[in-house]
Amino acid sequence: DQQVKQNSPSLSVQEGRISILNCDYTNSMFDYFLWYKKYPAEGPTFLISISSIKDKNEDGRFTVFLNKSAKHLSLHIVPSQPGDSAVYFCAARPGGYNAGNNRKLIWGLGTSLAVNP
Amino acid sequence: DTEVTQTPKHLVMGMTNKKSLKCEQHMGHRAMYWYKQKAKKPPELMFVYSYEKLSINESVPSRFSPECPNSSLLNLHLHALQPEDSALYLCASSLLYLRWVEINEKLFFGSGTQLSVL
Repeated sequence: DQQVKQNSPSLSVQEGRISILNCDYTNSMFDYFLWYKKYPAEGPTFLISISSIKDKNEDGRFTVFLNKSAKHLSLHIVPSQPGDSAVYFCAARPGGYNAGNNRKLIWGLGTSLAVNP
Repeated sequence: DTEVTQTPKHLVMGMTNKKSLKCEQHMGHRAMYWYKQKAKKPPELMFVYSYEKLSINESVPSRFSPECPNSSLLNLHLHALQPEDSALYLCASSLLYLRWVEINEKLFFGSGTQLSVL
């Protein structure tokens, strides 16, 4: 059962426009969410994160929004650049004392973003 | 230095070979991880070391044997692998990993070792 879902396998946007990548989750006990970017044949690179007690976190061109009632988060990239073309993974961490033995990150399947010049 | 360095970058081995993957970080991180990633899939956790002690083994077959000689080094020893073990093997580190404590565990990944088992 996929606890973290990225329902769009791919997304294509024009350079300079906004990219919106979506992530849905089913476990209300997740307390921390992260976005990673991955280029081919490289390891993922941390991009931005958000705690479940917040609804927005911004870092330069990247903003993550969290809607806890809808169990939905989104990553906005404005303006999009060709170098942003990569696979973006959403990951979530199960919350503290109720998480059992393993607080490993739960990953979505990724969304491949293509930013066209 | 914010890098996690993995060697080799590529490895081809037969099913009877023994090989080792190496990982090094000098960020003072006390948690180190091995992940496996297949094409078009997310990273899959294999092992977690916390303070040089094995903290998590995600039911990984014994043909994969991790080792953490010190706080900066992490090895993965491979023996008698199967073709389905072919994948990108990623090492990662984070400041800390403690099971019961709120930590924002931002992971730093290496570039990985692309392993092919023939």
